[in-house]
Amino acid sequence: AQSVAQPEDQVNVAEGNPLTVKCTYSVSGNPYLFWYVQYPNRGLQFLLKYITGDNLVKGSYGFEAEFNKSQTSFHLKKPSALVSDSALYFCAVRPLDTGRRALTFGSGTRLQVQP
Amino acid sequence: EAQVTQNPRYLITVTGKKLTVTCSQNMNHEYMSWYRQDPGLGLRQIYYSMNVEVTDKGDVPEGYKVSRKEKRNFPLILESPSPNQTSLYFCASRTQPTGELFFGEGSRLTVL
Repeated sequence: AQSVAQPEDQVNVAEGNPLTVKCTYSVSGNPYLFWYVQYPNRGLQFLLKYITGDNLVKGSYGFEAEFNKSQTSFHLKKPSALVSDSALYFCAVRPLDTGRRALTFGSGTRLQVQP
Repeated sequence: EAQVTQNPRYLITVTGKKLTVTCSQNMNHEYMSWYRQDPGLGLRQIYYSMNVEVTDKGDVPEGYKVSRKEKRNFPLILESPSPNQTSLYFCASRTQPTGELFFGEGSRLTVL
């Protein structure tokens, strides 16, 4: 069975500082990985995805994520946080090659950026 | 504008009173799905549909039904709602298998 772990319920960071939101996964075969963001009273919005290729993936709003196969991780990063980045972030995975096509989501990490 | 539209956005109902949450997408996507979001649990898939007349159970299908008679619509039906179905529900769609999901704005359901 596939699974995603987001070990931090909340991450606090000062505006202008770099941020990292952690994600580790478990899946059979090669992974297909996503990050989504949810603002209050809104649906989830796609940030970025990893299929194959370069381990560093760049996405929307200046976010990027690094795929590490040996550590089965896909941490979300941003060099300089903005107050407007405060939101709920979800990591998701499914197997690329076989198995069920549904995404499995982590429990979410709330990012709080202080001015 | 490309979008997934859910209705109602908010609903309070009572145990046993049948209800339907509608979902419509205007992107001609084959794949559609319903998720529920609960605190600390993330999003869990209820049902999904690979195309018209093709539906299948997700991780938490009990107490729910779906139908896919048209490509654009994928309603979620609660035949006899119970309080444990109080949740935030999201409909989503995508096109090719490697495409990202597009989500609706969510439907917050309270069952008393």
